[in-house]
Amino acid sequence: GDSVTQMEGPVTLSEEACLTINCTYTATGYPSLFWYVQYPGEGLQLLLKATKADDKGSNKGFEATYRKETTSFHLEKGSVQVSDSAVYFCALSDRNSARQLTFGSGTQLTVLP
Amino acid sequence: DGGITQSPKYLFRKEGQNVTLSCEQNLNHDAMYWYRQDPGQGLRLIYYSQIVNDFQKGDIAEGYSVSREKKESFPLTVTSAQKNPTAFYLCASAPDRADYGYTFGSGTRLTVV
Repeated sequence: GDSVTQMEGPVTLSEEACLTINCTYTATGYPSLFWYVQYPGEGLQLLLKATKADDKGSNKGFEATYRKETTSFHLEKGSVQVSDSAVYFCALSDRNSARQLTFGSGTQLTVLP
Repeated sequence: DGGITQSPKYLFRKEGQNVTLSCEQNLNHDAMYWYRQDPGQGLRLIYYSQIVNDFQKGDIAEGYSVSREKKESFPLTVTSAQKNPTAFYLCASAPDRADYGYTFGSGTRLTVV
């Protein structure tokens, strides 16, 4: 079945450092890929998405490129801020599935001033 | 504004009691989902519904029940059979499009006292 593997956390960075959170997936069909962010005590918010190979999703300085050849969707940001501290979830949606999202286990990011 | 509303935000339950968590959406989404999140953990699917009057068990349905009498509403009952109900509960909805992803509510934190 479908699965998503995320880089394990927690990740701690200093403000203005570069961020990469790795995400790889396994899917039988042609999935859409997503990154969600969860701030403390809140629900998940869609951060960005990509629906086909080589698409790049971007939002709030974050980027991720859908790499079909490596089955990856790594999240990147060039300069993180304290306000980026949150849990980040990678997810996929397979068109051949019952429209359920398959989530990774989440990566806790803490950015220190 | 369209969105998904969970209530209450905090809920306390005595052992042996059933409690019901509310989830309402005005996004005209077909599918709705319930997830459980434990501290520092990922998301586990409890139940989901793709159409009115139909729902399916997820990975951890034991001790929970749901109904889907209206498209807008998908309440979750945590029964006394759920032995460890203290957790953060998230509701989500999605349209009939695999490339859209989910819209999440802000969550209900349930504590057994």
